[in-house]
Amino acid sequence: QKEVEQDPGPLSVPEGAIVSLNCTYSNSAFQYFMWYRQYSRKGPELLMYTYSSGNKEDGRFTAQVDKSSKYISLFIRDSQPSDSATYLCAMANSGYALNFGKGTSLLVTP
Amino acid sequence: DAGITQSPRHKVTETGTPVTLRCHQTENHRYMYWYRQDPGHGLRLIHYSYGVKDTDKGEVSDGYSVSRSKTEDFLLTLESATSSQTSVYFCAITSTGGGTEAFFGQGTRLTVV
Repeated sequence: QKEVEQDPGPLSVPEGAIVSLNCTYSNSAFQYFMWYRQYSRKGPELLMYTYSSGNKEDGRFTAQVDKSSKYISLFIRDSQPSDSATYLCAMANSGYALNFGKGTSLLVTP
Repeated sequence: DAGITQSPRHKVTETGTPVTLRCHQTENHRYMYWYRQDPGHGLRLIHYSYGVKDTDKGEVSDGYSVSRSKTEDFLLTLESATSSQTSVYFCAITSTGGGTEAFFGQGTRLTVV
């Protein structure tokens, strides 16, 4: 079993919808949680960074971490066609490298 | 955007030939990583470096070697390219290891024929 599980989708929503993206993980030592957005044929770009449990909000994006359930979420409010991309969750303990989910493909239709 | 440059951006090579990919950063970050990205597998760590001349293996290191002689440059070498190494390769950097934000380059698309 991979340490980080993420549903690959694809997920298709109409413009303006609230999008919920999720990852589960098995390593209770993970403390740092990130979401990356990747457009086609581009490198991943950091979207949200969270340490430990709790919520973090940045504009239309909200990241939630529930360490007791080993579950993290990314919510996108008022989704736009420009949000169409692959979203990758990533997490780490105090070690050297990130552990990535496989990514969820999101399509927001006008 | 973080100053990370990968070269080449695209390459087609023949089976059995050696290939070197370069990652150059201008952020003076200590940690540098090479990942490969394949459909159905996501991003997988090949090798990483935690300082000049300090490197270690990742999840999928077989058939790859790396070198870091300067802070700013991290080279990935495919010693004898195989078709299974056809992939998109990404370089990433972090300032203080896995607990900090990683910034990625734009990727190198490698095709082994």
